[in-house]
Amino acid sequence: DIHLTQSPSSLSAFVGDRITITCRASQSISTFLNWYQQKPGTAPRLLMYSASSLQSGVPSRFSGSGSATDFSLTISSLQPEDFATYYCQQSFTSPRTFGQGTKVEIK
Amino acid sequence: EVQLVESGGGLVKPGGSLRLSCAASGFIFSNAWMSWVRQAPGKGLEWVGRIRSKADGETTDYAAPVKGRFTISRDDSENTLYLQMDSLKTEDTAIYYCTTEIAVVISSWFDPWGQGTLVTVSA
Repeated sequence: DIHLTQSPSSLSAFVGDRITITCRASQSISTFLNWYQQKPGTAPRLLMYSASSLQSGVPSRFSGSGSATDFSLTISSLQPEDFATYYCQQSFTSPRTFGQGTKVEIK
Repeated sequence: EVQLVESGGGLVKPGGSLRLSCAASGFIFSNAWMSWVRQAPGKGLEWVGRIRSKADGETTDYAAPVKGRFTISRDDSENTLYLQMDSLKTEDTAIYYCTTEIAVVISSWFDPWGQGTLVTVSA
């Protein structure tokens, strides 16, 4: 199975900050990497697919990059509604696997 | 509007069975690959398994922790996805989400997701 490791596991930031979350795969997965946002008590929401494609309706302050084993999700200017947990997920092979999550909290 | 609505969760004793349903609307369900993803209380997301469309053989894949105990099926005439869970263990306690696996060329992602249904396995 492909293991995904996110870092950091949690972070505190101010509104307006630029933050980056990284996701490292245990083997090369090309660009078969997706990002989801989950707020407490709600289902996950797709943010980015294929490493760098922005899902329709997602604000342009979100961006993704990377290939092979190293990926990142960047929020250029953190907004109050962005405080949530973020997960990466690989679709290179089965079983599909998720990172352990990164919780973004208000400082 | 694309919508997925899960039902069937509840409290069940270890060793028991439960069947979850996921009612789909707003898209051509029969063409869709469908997955179940679960989330234990306070934990991350875990893929449970997937069923392909009838056109792709209606074949299934399962995660190792549930293989042989869980069965995914679909009724395209009713636009409904099912998860039959047998020999349940306490570690199966989780919110279970159904989701569509969108595939474009060889890439895929999960979108949208249902609201989830809670399964609690406890004596």
